[in-house]
Amino acid sequence: GAVVSQHPSWVICKSGTSVKIECRSLDFQATTMFWYRQFPKQSLMLMATSNEGSKATYEQGVEKDKFLINHASLTLSTLTVTSAHPEDSSFYICSVKTGGPSTNEKLFFGSGTQLSVL
Amino acid sequence: SQQGEEDPQALSIQEGENATMNCSYKTSINNLQWYRQNSGRGLVHLILIRSNEREKHSGRLRVTLDTSKKSSSLLITASRAADTASYFCATDEAGTALIFGKGTTLSVSS
Repeated sequence: GAVVSQHPSWVICKSGTSVKIECRSLDFQATTMFWYRQFPKQSLMLMATSNEGSKATYEQGVEKDKFLINHASLTLSTLTVTSAHPEDSSFYICSVKTGGPSTNEKLFFGSGTQLSVL
Repeated sequence: SQQGEEDPQALSIQEGENATMNCSYKTSINNLQWYRQNSGRGLVHLILIRSNEREKHSGRLRVTLDTSKKSSSLLITASRAADTASYFCATDEAGTALIFGKGTTLSVSS
């Protein structure tokens, strides 16, 4: 399987500031990573698909200018929450896809980032 | 979007009992997967069952899939306190990204 490291584990920031979350695939070259968001006691909602070397694909309703995704290498994808507001407070989780290009097979997840915006 | 719907939303049992969770989905799938999440943590893959399979076992886990009813069940036998977690089914409706259900929160008391 793939080992996925996500950093930071938790972050508290003031409203209006930007926060960057890193997701590293430590032992697998990940051309595709996924970013999910999870509110308390709810399911994971797919935010975007991060593609190495190209633009991310955002799900409907997710603002691409607010949630900036950069996947500049096969081992690192970053999610930047710009001008964060209290409603952006959530648990953000990245995942790495293994398997062939047309299959999803298993996903390996980072440990998540709890973002709290004051 | 959400594809799977788990049932029940919450389940409380005693150690040693079996726990059964169900998942329904809406569209055709290539496979269905079950994941586990401990509170405030990332998800861990438990088991994958392909659309042409009907049942799969892994240790104390047993998964069934009924594509005609678009449903799956996860059975955890002889549960332990350490099985306390949230369990999610996930399907590949979107083609490459997994879509997760709402989850079942399992509480196993000793």
